[in-house]
Amino acid sequence: AQSVTQPDIHITVSEGASLELRCNYSYGATPYLFWYVQSPGQGLQLLLKYFSGDTLVQGIKGFEAEFKRSQSSFNLRKPSVHWSDAAEYFCAVGARGANNLFFGTGTRLTVIP
Amino acid sequence: EAGVAQSPRYKIIEKRQSVAFWCNPISGHATLYWYQQILGQGPKLLIQFQNNGVVDDSQLPKDRFSAERLKGVDSTLKIQPAKLEDSAVYLCASSQLAGRDTQYFGPGTRLTVL
Repeated sequence: AQSVTQPDIHITVSEGASLELRCNYSYGATPYLFWYVQSPGQGLQLLLKYFSGDTLVQGIKGFEAEFKRSQSSFNLRKPSVHWSDAAEYFCAVGARGANNLFFGTGTRLTVIP
Repeated sequence: EAGVAQSPRYKIIEKRQSVAFWCNPISGHATLYWYQQILGQGPKLLIQFQNNGVVDDSQLPKDRFSAERLKGVDSTLKIQPAKLEDSAVYLCASSQLAGRDTQYFGPGTRLTVL
C-alpha cells in the first residue's frame, strides 16, 4: 500500500528566502506524485504533478519539485517565498492503475516579513 | 469554468443527529470523490464514483455513512447518526477521468459534532 510522510509539521521562513518542503513516499513501483496547497477556508489547489519523464517538475506560482527514486522523495522547492505562499502544503501519491490519492499530513508554512 | 461547488460550508449538529452534504462537480467530469479531512491530517478518501457507479468505498464507514450520485452529476454524502469523531472537513473533488487525471477540489464543508 502507498503512504506519504511529510516530516515537517510547521516551517517558518522569511519573505524572500528559499523554501524546501520534504516529502517521502512508500510504494513498490513508480508512483504518480502530487503537491497541493490549501489556504485557510479553501479547497486544495494543485501546484504540480509527476507522472513520468523529466524528474524536475515545474508548477504554478514559481514552485518546482524533484522526483528522486533512490531516496523515495518528491521535495517541493521555491527560490524566493512571498507572503502569499503562507498556507498548508500536502504531498500525495497515487498508484498506477488505481484511482485514489494518499495524502501526507501536511506542512504548514508561515512567512514572516 | 466553474469549480467544484459544495454546500453547506459549515454545519454544527449534536451527536446522533443526521446531516447531508451536497457536491456539484465541474461540468463534464466523470469521476467524483469524497474525502474526509480531520484537523491536523491530510484528506482521506471515503468514496469514489465513476459516473453514477461506485468505484471505491473501502474506507467509507457504511454503518453510518452513505453517498449517492444520481444521474452521474451531483452527489450527496450523508451521515446518520453522527458521532463526535465525525467532526472534520468534508471535501468533494472531481476529475475528467480516474487515475492520473488531476483532481479539482471544492472548498469543503466543515462539520462540527457536539
